[in-house]
Amino acid sequence: AQKVTQAQTEISVVEKEDVTLDCVYETRDTTYYLFWYKQPPSGELVFLIRRNSFDEQNEISGRYSWNFQKSTSSFNFTITASQVVDSAVYFCALFYNQGGKLIFGQGTELSVKP
Amino acid sequence: DGGITQSPKYLFRKEGQNVTLSCEQNLNHDAMYWYRQDPGQGLRLIYYSQIVNDFQKGDIAEGYSVSREKKESFPLTVTSAQKNPTAFYLCASSMNGYGYTFGSGTRLTVV
Repeated sequence: AQKVTQAQTEISVVEKEDVTLDCVYETRDTTYYLFWYKQPPSGELVFLIRRNSFDEQNEISGRYSWNFQKSTSSFNFTITASQVVDSAVYFCALFYNQGGKLIFGQGTELSVKP
Repeated sequence: DGGITQSPKYLFRKEGQNVTLSCEQNLNHDAMYWYRQDPGQGLRLIYYSQIVNDFQKGDIAEGYSVSREKKESFPLTVTSAQKNPTAFYLCASSMNGYGYTFGSGTRLTVV
């Protein structure tokens, strides 16, 4: 079965703290894509990153970094020096070729307090 | 500019009524999707279509219907059989899973 699990429902941090959002996935496919999206209160989904299953290189983009580990089926997302504007719901998602569809985790609501 | 347009932004439905949510894209994407979002439950797939005149049920298709007569359009009808339709609905399109574009959503409320 294909599944994405975000075990952290809510996280609250104080501004400038680092925070890691966990994502664990299940798939039998050898070819798949993993995504992270941000959903601010307005509701639209903002694309953050896409990673294919053959590329395990970690990635850094400004204050954002992603750690992809196939051995543990995890694709964790870290925000360094968090800011109030980072407050949102963050979704991890999996696309697998056999299914032809994108499935989402339950989301993690991040609250960054000043 | 290319993108996805969902309308209306807010929709109110009386119990027992069918309503249709619009989703139009001008990105020339083959695949389109409808998701439902409830608080604390993430996004759940209702229906998806990978090609014109063909669509498949997602995880929560009961009480919903779709059509895909044109590549650009994928309307979702919430029927009276859907017992709890109040939710936020998101439409998306994709070219073979490589990149997804999401609409801004429709918030449906039963009154």
